[in-house]
Amino acid sequence: NAGVTQTPKFRILKIGQSMTLQCAQDMNHNYMYWYRQDPGMGLKLIYYSVGAGITDKGEVPNGYNVSRSTTEDFPLRLELAAPSQTSVYFCASGRERSEQFFGPGTRLTVL
Amino acid sequence: GEDVEQSLFLSVREGDSSVINCTYTDSSSTYLYWYKQEPGAGLQLLTYIFSNMDMKQDQRLTVLLNKKDKHLSLRIADTQTGDSAIYFCAVLNTGFQKLVFGTGTRLLVSP
Repeated sequence: NAGVTQTPKFRILKIGQSMTLQCAQDMNHNYMYWYRQDPGMGLKLIYYSVGAGITDKGEVPNGYNVSRSTTEDFPLRLELAAPSQTSVYFCASGRERSEQFFGPGTRLTVL
Repeated sequence: GEDVEQSLFLSVREGDSSVINCTYTDSSSTYLYWYKQEPGAGLQLLTYIFSNMDMKQDQRLTVLLNKKDKHLSLRIADTQTGDSAIYFCAVLNTGFQKLVFGTGTRLLVSP
């Protein structure tokens, strides 16, 4: 198993640009999550999904959108990038709510 | 909401024991976790403890849970330079699949 994969690893965006952060898992996990980690801080939950077709907001959803059309994929969309969205983004998945395995992260800079 | 706090920094010498502490506010939290993050990498699940346990040992790692004081600790025996990393405490929010993270403790192990 590849586990949780994220692409790209790094990205620089200009203010107002859009992009999609990709996340995929090959473990047939129902639960998937997006977090952001700001420098010197813990992780904040952006969105999560308990299965294909179901998504819900976390603590900091503003400025982001997600979809979950398949069990494997959980892309995160930034529509109008802002400097405040400069962060490292982590995707995670789990078979049940008590476990979360993390991907390697995407480092995003918005200038 | 749930709040999870950790001290920011711990420095030890190689071969000593390290103790990383965490306090949380939600007394009904069910699972409590320790994650390790090495520079530029994602989060690696080290160990977790269920709230009906007081202690869990896994090789060099010992987790202690004091539910009365809402205090969680991670002890690393015979600390090695490879243990240098940021350690995050995380608590599973009751009735919800959200993990709440502390800000992380940076462990520096000197030879």
